Amino acid sequence: AQSVTQLDSQVPVFEEAPVELRCNYSSSVSVYLFWYVQYPNQGLQLLLKYLSGSTLVESINGFEAEFNKSQTSFHLRKPSVHISDTAEYFCAVSDQGSGNTPLVFGKGTRLSVIA
Amino acid sequence: EPEVTQTPSHQVTQMGQEVILRCVPISNHLYFYWYRQILGQKVEFLVSFYNNEISEKSEIFDDQFSVERPDGSNFTLKIRSTKLEDSAMYFCASRRNTDTQYFGPGTRLTVL
Repeated sequence: AQSVTQLDSQVPVFEEAPVELRCNYSSSVSVYLFWYVQYPNQGLQLLLKYLSGSTLVESINGFEAEFNKSQTSFHLRKPSVHISDTAEYFCAVSDQGSGNTPLVFGKGTRLSVIA
Repeated sequence: EPEVTQTPSHQVTQMGQEVILRCVPISNHLYFYWYRQILGQKVEFLVSFYNNEISEKSEIFDDQFSVERPDGSNFTLKIRSTKLEDSAMYFCASRRNTDTQYFGPGTRLTVL
């Protein structure tokens, strides 16, 4: 079974400052890794994912995450945040081997960008 | 861009009543899921559905829950006799044959 830990429940940051949202996972098998974002009153949207290959993955809106197998981490970073990045961010894993595997989520991190 | 839709956005019901939450997955998707999020807690997996049958379910998904795909487009979650602890946001998701699940906006269920 997998588990995901997001250590920070809330992260306030000033506009244009860098941010890192931490995610650690535990699994006995190889996993896929995901970051989902939930804007106020909306559903979960896929932000980026790691499946294989390059350990650094990027989203279209400037976020990036790096898969670190030795530290079992998949931290999300952005060098300069905008007000519009204010949202809840969820890290999730799924088992690579199972054909219809469910996602296992962390508790989420609420990013608040302050003007 | 196609998206998963869910109705209603908010459902209020009395304890013991039956509720049906509805989802329309993306049209060419093959795998369907229900998740829930109790306020302040993690998003939790409930059930997955493929080829007209349940493929996996969690411990949460007991006999009070059922899922159905009554036609080619809808995917429903039924709770037979709601309890206070069923109050949560319920998310539907669908997937074609890739790794990525696409989520709907959720239905907030409030049990009084």
